[in-house]
Amino acid sequence: QTVVTQEPSFSVSPGGTVTLTCGLSSGSVSSNYYPSWYQHTPGQAPRTLMYTTDTRSSGVPDRFSGSILGNKAALTITGAQVDDESVYYCLLYMGGGFVLFGGGTKLTVL
Amino acid sequence: QVQLQESGPGLVKPSQTLSLTCTVSGFSVYTANYYWSWIRQHPGRGLEWIGYIYYSGITYYKPSLQSLATISLDTSKNQFSLKLASVTAADTAVYYCAGGRSSSWFDYWGQGTLVTVSS
Repeated sequence: QTVVTQEPSFSVSPGGTVTLTCGLSSGSVSSNYYPSWYQHTPGQAPRTLMYTTDTRSSGVPDRFSGSILGNKAALTITGAQVDDESVYYCLLYMGGGFVLFGGGTKLTVL
Repeated sequence: QVQLQESGPGLVKPSQTLSLTCTVSGFSVYTANYYWSWIRQHPGRGLEWIGYIYYSGITYYKPSLQSLATISLDTSKNQFSLKLASVTAADTAVYYCAGGRSSSWFDYWGQGTLVTVSS
């Protein structure tokens, strides 16, 4: 059974740059998986950040960017802010109408 | 502004059917090429996609939930619903509704509603 992999946790200093990744337990992630990214702060609705690899959702600042790095999808935050502290999930389209979330990365900004 | 709001019982007994409704405002659920989804988050865990319904009524479900989950659309009320049969404590979760232009990602999200399965 295929699993979408993400780093369980990451830490970045305010103003720093961090890259979160999204991979597959077997195989490589490409744009054909239509990777998307979501920011989820406990008690709030998830927020869509990115879709189709590198398209920012409406209202998302350009310090968030998406890409394919090697065999993984990636979300890069440039100039991290304290408000960016959250859990970040990636989502991959697995085909046949089926999508799969990664386990999420808890980002700490301090 | 598109808004989604989940509603339904917060407590369901084991073996019963969980029923939730998502009311959409600011947008028609019958808009061509839009998908309406249910996602859940078990306590302390990540997000899990349950399934979606296309504006035309076609449905897709996570394979492991396909025999238990039913998603339906009510265009007259601008709502879509989730029914999950034969629930157990393992179905205790925050349930989110979501929607968007593609089956591959979600543009809009509800705030989520906690459903506890307990006798």
